Amino acid sequence: KNEVEQSPQNLTAQEGEFITINCSYSVGISALHWLQQHPGGGIVSLFMLSSGKKKHGRLIATINIQEKHSSLHITASHPRDSAVYICAVRHQGGKLIFGQGTELSVKP
Amino acid sequence: DVKVTQSSRYLVKRTGEKVFLECVQDMDHENMFWYRQDPGLGLRLIYFSYDVKMKEKGDIPEGYSVSREKKERFSLILESASTNQTSMYLCASNPSISGRPTLTYGYTFGSGTRLTVV
Repeated sequence: KNEVEQSPQNLTAQEGEFITINCSYSVGISALHWLQQHPGGGIVSLFMLSSGKKKHGRLIATINIQEKHSSLHITASHPRDSAVYICAVRHQGGKLIFGQGTELSVKP
Repeated sequence: DVKVTQSSRYLVKRTGEKVFLECVQDMDHENMFWYRQDPGLGLRLIYFSYDVKMKEKGDIPEGYSVSREKKERFSLILESASTNQTSMYLCASNPSISGRPTLTYGYTFGSGTRLTVV
């Protein structure tokens, strides 16, 4: 079993829908990242969380340390949000562990 | 605009060839990383470097080596390419915090090099 599991692996949504991507992890962590990878490969760091909630534009990330779970929400989704979203956790030993990614496609 | 630049977007090499993947960053970051990304496996760390001429093995260093002769440049070397090294390779960099290397803060990634070994 992977130490970081994302769900769903693939997601298709209609423009305007509210989207949730989930990340569960089984190790002790000191921080969790959400990353966005566009077609062609470039990766952008969206959020780094150690507790609570962060918001940036239409993106919201939450983390529940006790439940070892994080969610990334996209409100009013748009076709330009189509990308792979990757959850990554920093293990307390220092190592960064990546989830397998969630491929999101938003249709107009 | 800050950048991590990988020299090639697509590369095709033959089995047994020596392959160099180059990465350059212009942010004066201390730390640089090489990852490979495979379907179903996510991103896996091959090597990282926290200073010039310093390197540390990541999770999957076998079959790879690295070189960091200058702060801005981190090279990944496949000594004898094999078909199981066909993958997307991503370079990243980040700054040290209070002089200490950190694996997670403020990553900037390159656009990736898709390597096919035939």
